[in-house]
Amino acid sequence: QKEVEQDPGPLSVPEGAIVSLNCTYSNSAFQYFMWYRQYSRKGPELLMYTYSSGNKEDGRFTAQVDKSSKYISLFIRNSQPSDSATYLCAMKDPGGFKTIFGAGTRLFVKA
Amino acid sequence: KAGVTQTPRYLIKTRGQQVTLSCSPISGHRSVSWYQQTPGQGLQFLFEYFSETQRNKGNFPGRFSGRQFSNSRSEMNVSTLELGDSALYLCASSLGQGGEPQHFGDGTRLSIL
Repeated sequence: QKEVEQDPGPLSVPEGAIVSLNCTYSNSAFQYFMWYRQYSRKGPELLMYTYSSGNKEDGRFTAQVDKSSKYISLFIRNSQPSDSATYLCAMKDPGGFKTIFGAGTRLFVKA
Repeated sequence: KAGVTQTPRYLIKTRGQQVTLSCSPISGHRSVSWYQQTPGQGLQFLFEYFSETQRNKGNFPGRFSGRQFSNSRSEMNVSTLELGDSALYLCASSLGQGGEPQHFGDGTRLSIL
């Protein structure tokens, strides 16, 4: 079993839709959670960074962590064609020195 | 503030050759990590350097090596290249104190013929 599971998609939605991207993990010790966005031929770009459980909002993006279920989500409101990219979840152990990445979900937002 | 810079952006080599990739981290960042990204395997961790010392290592053969200089710049070397080494090699930097997120460069696309 992988430490982090993420559905690779692809996920296709119409412009303006609410997008929900999810990851599950097996190590209950993970405490730091991140979402990265990667456009084609570019490196991953940090979108959201959260510590422990709860929600964090930044513009159209909301990151949610449920440690009891070992489940994290990224919500994108009013999705735009420019949001079309691969989204990677990532998390760190308590020591904080090793980052584990999900496989990434490819998202297509149709105009 | 300048981001993580990787050079070169593209590289074409043949089997058996060796290659050196370079990474300049964000100013003030002392940790540099290297990853290999392929469509089938996703992001795979190669190694991490902090203050010129390798602090963590992934499960790659000894043909993959790296080093870090006193100014935190890092290089990665791959010897005896194989077709399977074709990938996007990404460098990421962070403060290195633990817990903080990494910031990535745009990678070096390595193609082996």
